[in-house]
Amino acid sequence: EDKVVQSPLSLVVHEGDTVTLNCSYEVTNFRSLLWYKQEKKAPTFLFMLTSSGIEKKSGRLSSILDKKELFSILNITATQTGDSAVYLCAVPGGTSYGKLTFGQGTILTVHP
Amino acid sequence: DTEVTQTPKHLVMGMTNKKSLKCEQHMGHRAMYWYKQKAKKPPELMFVYSYEKLSINESVPSRFSPECPNSSLLNLHLHALQPEDSALYLCASSQTETQYFGPGTRLLVL
Repeated sequence: EDKVVQSPLSLVVHEGDTVTLNCSYEVTNFRSLLWYKQEKKAPTFLFMLTSSGIEKKSGRLSSILDKKELFSILNITATQTGDSAVYLCAVPGGTSYGKLTFGQGTILTVHP
Repeated sequence: DTEVTQTPKHLVMGMTNKKSLKCEQHMGHRAMYWYKQKAKKPPELMFVYSYEKLSINESVPSRFSPECPNSSLLNLHLHALQPEDSALYLCASSQTETQYFGPGTRLLVL
């Protein structure tokens, strides 16, 4: 059975801090790993990672994948209160196309 | 444009009611999905439609009935729901493995 584990489950920081969120996975026939940000409603897509060692970057957010050690990290630098959200890591199913296995999520709270 | 729209935003229904949730995407995506999300939990897959045909049903009770009238629309028909079915219902679509989510319908069953 595919498995995705995120850590920490929650994190409280102050504006300006840098945070690192972790995601480890076990999946048959790995193809990609996805990061989403969820505030009140819909998860919004952040990154898709397919290759080891290649950093994806968008503004203050960046992410990298290690396919040998089966994990990914999401970094957020110079955090802002608007970064407060649940960050979800997900891996497409190894044998069932369309099925995303999600981690439990990391709840990030950024205080002013 | 990566927009998926859902209506209604909120829905309150009794256990004997019949209602429907609607989802629409105009990105030409070949797959559409229904998820259920309870508070403080990740989304939980219910159904997958691929090229308008049901390809995955995650053992969802028959009181939830999906329908895909065409490649842009996805409905979820609700009948005789239970209070424990109260949740956020998310629709998503994809062309490849990246799924794009709609804003969800927050459902309360009384």
